[in-house]
Amino acid sequence: ETGVTQSPTHLIKTRGQQVTLRCSSQSGHNTVSWYQQALGQGPQFIFQYYREEENGRGNFPPRFSGLQFPNYSSELNVNALELDDSALYLCASSPGAGRGPDTQYFGPGTRLTVL
Amino acid sequence: KQEVTQIPAALSVPEGENLVLNCSFTDSAIYNLQWFRQDPGKGLTSLLLIQSSQREQTSGRLNASLDKSSGRSTLYIAASQPGDSATYLCAVKLVSDYKLSFGAGTTVTVRA
Repeated sequence: ETGVTQSPTHLIKTRGQQVTLRCSSQSGHNTVSWYQQALGQGPQFIFQYYREEENGRGNFPPRFSGLQFPNYSSELNVNALELDDSALYLCASSPGAGRGPDTQYFGPGTRLTVL
Repeated sequence: KQEVTQIPAALSVPEGENLVLNCSFTDSAIYNLQWFRQDPGKGLTSLLLIQSSQREQTSGRLNASLDKSSGRSTLYIAASQPGDSATYLCAVKLVSDYKLSFGAGTTVTVRA
């Protein structure tokens, strides 16, 4: 059974650029959640996708957007990058529909640095 | 809104000492509470998951308790080792929500 994978591992961008981060969910999981973790803080929920539809969103601006594909893999897109977007971006997959007790399984994260 | 607090923010102990990490949360309508370990610059490793109907979970040297009514959980690590040095995060899953709500973590250093 393959766990959650994320790519790339590290990424450096400049202010104003756009970035796409990718996540492959664990086999059999149809829900993907994205979190942002700034240095020294706990992860903050960005949004969640269930069967290709966004079904929950945290307090992030619209320039944070996402997609989920038929194979349940997912992308996080961030437009007009700002310095404060520098963080570890974590993807988590789970087998249920989101509003439930299902455990979320985390990937290794993508470290984004915005200069 | 669920608030999750972890105290202390940092902890340094000599090898062999027992560790006690605290987590408190404001909304007791939870499905479960989870403890994670995070090494510097790395992702999250799940240590223990306690369902809301449970009082504790154990795995090896780790034991986590849950008191839902008072909004508290404690992670005990027995006989600490230098390899236990990491940041420990707790997270709760509300019945009414999609996401995990995390604390800011406790950074542990075990001195050899």
